Amino acid sequence: DTGVSQDPRHKITKRGQNVTFRCDPISEHNRLYWYRQTLGQGPEFLTYFQNEAQLEKSRLLSDRFSAERPKGSFSTLEIQRTEQGDSAMYLCASSPSPGTGGINQPQHFGDGTRLSIL
Amino acid sequence: AQSVTQLGSHVSVSEGALVLLRCNYSSSVPPYLFWYVQYPNQGLQLLLKYTSAATLVKGINGFEAEFKKSETSFHLTKPSAHMSDAAEYFCAVSQAGGYQKVTFGTGTKLQVIP
Repeated sequence: DTGVSQDPRHKITKRGQNVTFRCDPISEHNRLYWYRQTLGQGPEFLTYFQNEAQLEKSRLLSDRFSAERPKGSFSTLEIQRTEQGDSAMYLCASSPSPGTGGINQPQHFGDGTRLSIL
Repeated sequence: AQSVTQLGSHVSVSEGALVLLRCNYSSSVPPYLFWYVQYPNQGLQLLLKYTSAATLVKGINGFEAEFKKSETSFHLTKPSAHMSDAAEYFCAVSQAGGYQKVTFGTGTKLQVIP
């Protein structure tokens, strides 16, 4: 178990630029989630994939945000025309399918990508 | 709809003292409940989970939590605080079944005083 890996760990960019983050989930996990965490807050759900299908998007995910998981393995989160308010930690998590009895399995988190907008 | 409320954004305890971090939940269906810990500049690590089995749940690092349906609470405790326990703790809720959308509380920062 190599854990959830996120790249880069830190990203500093100017307002208006596009940024892309990558998440590599635990290999046997078919569910992948993106969260955003601002200072002093808990993580807020952004979107969820089951394999390559994006099944849920939060209202927080404006049209400047797009997430993909083309082969059901790694995922990317792109933010276009970044704004000051996009500064946050972006967390990725993964989990396996429900276990015995349909019990959802806990999500395993990566260390996040911290985005700073100048 | 689901939500969690963590009482106290900051908690200070002396090393060796009892740790008690409070969490109350709201859920229209039977919930799953979690406690996660986050160290600076890191992701979240699962401490323990409640998934409708035993109401007293033991986790890692000596932490445990008790699910009390009548009080809609899931408080986190540890008998004796260590310096290494200083971190931010998040209570979270999801609903049984479905795709497992998790809603987090706003977190409680635990300070351990030597």
